[in-house]
Amino acid sequence: GAVVSQHPSRVICKSGTSVKIECRSLDFQATTMFWYRQFPKQSLMLMATSNEGSKATYEQGVEKDKFLINHASLTLSTLTVTSAHPEDSSFYICSAPPGQMIGYTFGSGTRLTVV
Amino acid sequence: GENVEQHPSTLSVQEGDSAVIKCTYSDSASNYFPWYKQELGKRPQLIIDIRSNVGEKKDQRIAVTLNKTAKHFSLHITETQPEDSAVYFCAASINSGYSTLTFGKGTMLLVSP
Repeated sequence: GAVVSQHPSRVICKSGTSVKIECRSLDFQATTMFWYRQFPKQSLMLMATSNEGSKATYEQGVEKDKFLINHASLTLSTLTVTSAHPEDSSFYICSAPPGQMIGYTFGSGTRLTVV
Repeated sequence: GENVEQHPSTLSVQEGDSAVIKCTYSDSASNYFPWYKQELGKRPQLIIDIRSNVGEKKDQRIAVTLNKTAKHFSLHITETQPEDSAVYFCAASINSGYSTLTFGKGTMLLVSP
């Protein structure tokens, strides 16, 4: 079945540094990927929609210069958290729709801790 | 945009009882309604979904019902087991065109032995 691989699963970084998170669709082409953020005991909140070959679409309140998204190929989307701060600590997870009649599949998530 | 409300936020049941989680949505154009189970620190796992052309779908102990007129859908888990304990999220989307999922706030289900 459709698989999305996400790396790293956990990362601890110092305040002010940047962190890159990768999501790869392993057995299907993903022209679109969605990036979500989930704070403890909360729901998944959409941050942005990544589109292959074009600019990402960001949700209201999400800083596009802070959360850089690149969707350079049909199987890879990356989210870079720039100049990370402790308040950026969260669970980041990507999702891709393998096909119109198949449910969305999620990556395994990345637990980011900024110290 | 779409708004999904989910209730209850927490649900405690005894093993063997049934559990029901309810969601409402606001956008009448939504036509795809998945339910996800998320264990602590892990990715959401799709457990069942329903499309707007049917009113009910069942898979073993899990069933989902959809009322398009009222814009609400529900998850029913029968004969609950301790391993059903997790957070459950409902979601809605306009599946055509690869639009995003809008999630409910989640329900923490605790099944006591």
